[in-house]
Amino acid sequence: ETGVTQTPRHLVMGMTNKKSLKCEQHLGHNAMYWYKQSAKKPLELMFVYNFKEQTENNSVPSRFSPECPNSSHLFLHLHTLQPEDSALYLCASTPHGVQGNEQFFGPGTRLTVL
Amino acid sequence: GQNIDQPTEMTATEGAIVQINCTYQTSGFNGLFWYQQHAGEAPTFLSYNVLDGLEEKGRFSSFLSRSKGYSYLLLKELQMKDSASYLCAVRGGSNYQLIWGAGTKLIIKP
Repeated sequence: ETGVTQTPRHLVMGMTNKKSLKCEQHLGHNAMYWYKQSAKKPLELMFVYNFKEQTENNSVPSRFSPECPNSSHLFLHLHTLQPEDSALYLCASTPHGVQGNEQFFGPGTRLTVL
Repeated sequence: GQNIDQPTEMTATEGAIVQINCTYQTSGFNGLFWYQQHAGEAPTFLSYNVLDGLEEKGRFSSFLSRSKGYSYLLLKELQMKDSASYLCAVRGGSNYQLIWGAGTKLIIKP
């Protein structure tokens, strides 16, 4: 499969659950990103991995935990989330590390926290 | 602070021309991007400007004025499939992170 893929596409979870979001790209890109997209708000950058090293953590609560086991896979582990965490979570990647111009986005995971 | 401003919503007619403006205030500048996002889908890259002037790509053009902190996306010969949100983003300082606007929802009417 080409491009950036994300699973699951939809997720409903309670505040006490633990779940993980998965992102995968086989484009040979070296940087991967997690974004949060809420209605009528700008995309919020959460985490950046450049050549498998985490380079940014933009004041994200510890209930979100990223993992990048290799340059093709990125996970976002979720635990004890709050209803305000309900949003679309987008994964993106760029070639040539974070200096790459075009970000390629996955279709996102629509998360609902009850 | 850092800020990207663009209109929340615009309406245009099929076959017409529409210009979506974006103004920005950032600490540092290393390029401005436009992305298109259809409802329920991923954002897709449209254009990149780093020097002043107009970049044309088919029916879409993007303009940048760095001295004014201003860009616009021009869409010609509008089609119904152009109904989408258009996101403006600026790459600021040395960390190469993008700062995003909230997006402009473009509605095309027959």
